[in-house]
Amino acid sequence: DQQVKQNSPSLSVQEGRISILNCDYTNSMFDYFLWYKKYPAEGPTFLISISSIKDKNEDGRFTVFLNKSAKHLSLHIVPSQPGDSAVYFCAASRGYNTDKLIFGTGTRLQVFP
Amino acid sequence: NAGVTQTPKFQVLKTGQSMTLQCAQDMNHEYMSWYRQDPGMGLRLIHYSVGAGITDQGEVPNGYNVSRSTTEDFPLRLLSAAPSQTSVYFCASIRKRGGDTGELFFGEGSRLTVL
Repeated sequence: DQQVKQNSPSLSVQEGRISILNCDYTNSMFDYFLWYKKYPAEGPTFLISISSIKDKNEDGRFTVFLNKSAKHLSLHIVPSQPGDSAVYFCAASRGYNTDKLIFGTGTRLQVFP
Repeated sequence: NAGVTQTPKFQVLKTGQSMTLQCAQDMNHEYMSWYRQDPGMGLRLIHYSVGAGITDQGEVPNGYNVSRSTTEDFPLRLLSAAPSQTSVYFCASIRKRGGDTGELFFGEGSRLTVL
């Protein structure tokens, strides 16, 4: 039973445009959500997070939106750059302890010139 | 600052063989964990540790053993490898921040193939 779902395995966006990556979850007990970015042959790296008490968190070109009623979060990248091409994982945890994260299956983003 | 170091990066085993994936971190992080990444499955937690001498099972612990004798090291042991354990393994450490844990820092991964 996949508690965190990323239904789009891939996304292709033109440089300069907005990239929107989506994530759905089923467990209403999740309190904390994170996005990780992964390049080939490297480990995932933390990108941005959001607490369930917020509906938006922004960090430079990256913004995460949380819709608790829909159990949906999204990552917006504006403007998209070729260096953003990577696999993006959504993750969630109960409480704010990230020692037991539940990850989604990932979305491969390709940003083309 | 090396961060999280995993060895080996690649390994091929035959069914039934045993091996240990090594993980070391030099950031004095309390928490460490092992994940496996499989196509279409994302990353799944195998085992984790909240400090030296303390370990616990994650989502997919069967077939794996861990120990945490020091803060720095968290090896993952496969006692009798099976083809279903073919995967990419990631070790992660976590800096504790106040009463909560913070972001995970991942190693570069170890790709294991079991024939």
